[in-house]
Amino acid sequence: NAGVTQTPKFRVLKTGQSMTLLCAQDMNHEYMYWYRQDPGMGLRLIHYSVGEGTTAKGEVPDGYNVSRLKKQNFLLGLESAAPSQTSVYFCASTKRGSNQPQHFGDGTRLSIL
Amino acid sequence: EDQVTQSPEALRLQEGESSSLNCSYTVSGLRGLFWYRQDPGKGPEFLFTLYSAGEEKEKERLKATLTKKESFLHITAPKPEDSATYLCAVQAANTGFQKLVFGTGTRLLVSP
Repeated sequence: NAGVTQTPKFRVLKTGQSMTLLCAQDMNHEYMYWYRQDPGMGLRLIHYSVGEGTTAKGEVPDGYNVSRLKKQNFLLGLESAAPSQTSVYFCASTKRGSNQPQHFGDGTRLSIL
Repeated sequence: EDQVTQSPEALRLQEGESSSLNCSYTVSGLRGLFWYRQDPGKGPEFLFTLYSAGEEKEKERLKATLTKKESFLHITAPKPEDSATYLCAVQAANTGFQKLVFGTGTRLLVSP
């Protein structure tokens, strides 16, 4: 039972480069989320999806795009990476319904030079 | 605006020395309060959900309690393996996508 799997685990980019982070879940969850975690700031929501083909902005969406073409996958894209996007990125998923806990992957550590 | 404040930021205990972590919150109607554990280099791991004031939940050496303004995570006779960052999050009743608002966490270090 893999749960939520994120790839890659680590990545170093140069300013202006682009990349895509992949999140896959095998729990048949409807809702998926992308967060970033920075020291002293807690987890902040970037984008989320309530179902296949639907996405929406969270608290800090600027500079990121997402896609949910398949129910089990949620992709986070950085079109033109900036040093301010250096962070640890977490994907989470949950079953639709009140009070369901979100289940997290182990994160992608991204450095932008 | 929904907010979560956790204290202390860091806590160092000796093995067996019991203590409590605090999570204060303001939310427009609480649907649920969640506790997570996060180990270094890992994602948050779900521990408990509390729904209403007066509710308590236990798991091994951990007990979570809830009032109308705060939650406590009590750690009884901790062991070194309890060392981790503990995160608190709230879900408001008016959220349509089960949004969680997280605190910044308490880093717990338990020394042998």
